[in-house]
Amino acid sequence: AQSVSQHNHHVILSEAASLELGCNYSYGGTVNLFWYVQYPGQHLQLLLKYFSGDPLVKGIKGFEAEFIKSKFSFNLRKPSVQWSDTAEYFCAVRVRGNDYKLSFGAGTTVTVRA
Amino acid sequence: KAGVTQTPRYLIKTRGQQVTLSCSPISGHRSVSWYQQTPGQGLQFLFEYFSETQRNKGNFPGRFSGRQFSNSRSEMNVSTLELGDSALYLCASSQGLGHTDTQYFGPGTRLTVL
Repeated sequence: AQSVSQHNHHVILSEAASLELGCNYSYGGTVNLFWYVQYPGQHLQLLLKYFSGDPLVKGIKGFEAEFIKSKFSFNLRKPSVQWSDTAEYFCAVRVRGNDYKLSFGAGTTVTVRA
Repeated sequence: KAGVTQTPRYLIKTRGQQVTLSCSPISGHRSVSWYQQTPGQGLQFLFEYFSETQRNKGNFPGRFSGRQFSNSRSEMNVSTLELGDSALYLCASSQGLGHTDTQYFGPGTRLTVL
């Protein structure tokens, strides 16, 4: 079945540690890829997106993600996290074509300890 | 530009009742999508609208319906509410249905069914 998998359910880090969240998808064809973040009490916000071109994309707040087509992966990274990065992170995939919907992973809760 | 707005923000209903949720997209956006977010199932696609036409529908029962108006505002309706319909209902808007269009989310309507 087509799916989006996020490897970690809950990640706990200390400030200044590096963060990497895994995302794999099982869709064939050309895909658009997104990472969204949901801070406590706030709505889903777009962190970054990949449509085509350079597989390394940079987003807001120092986040970046790398699309590796051969591995069907789109992992999110941040070199040094802050307490304010505590949030839930969602990977989303859209298959190009007639279907415009986003398919989301289950989400990863990131807790950054001061 | 104002973001996506959703009303009401919170709703409490009892089983068997029906409910209507409203979404106003970002100005100039013509596409609206709806998602259901629950702790168990995560984010699941409900339906998407463009130019007052439903373009795609997720795997939800017929009790879930929606529509879009000529000003791009959208409503979704859930009839004969069940306990399992308790969720955060998210609306997202985008400029169109192009593969480079990005969905921006509203704060959601928290529906509790008692």
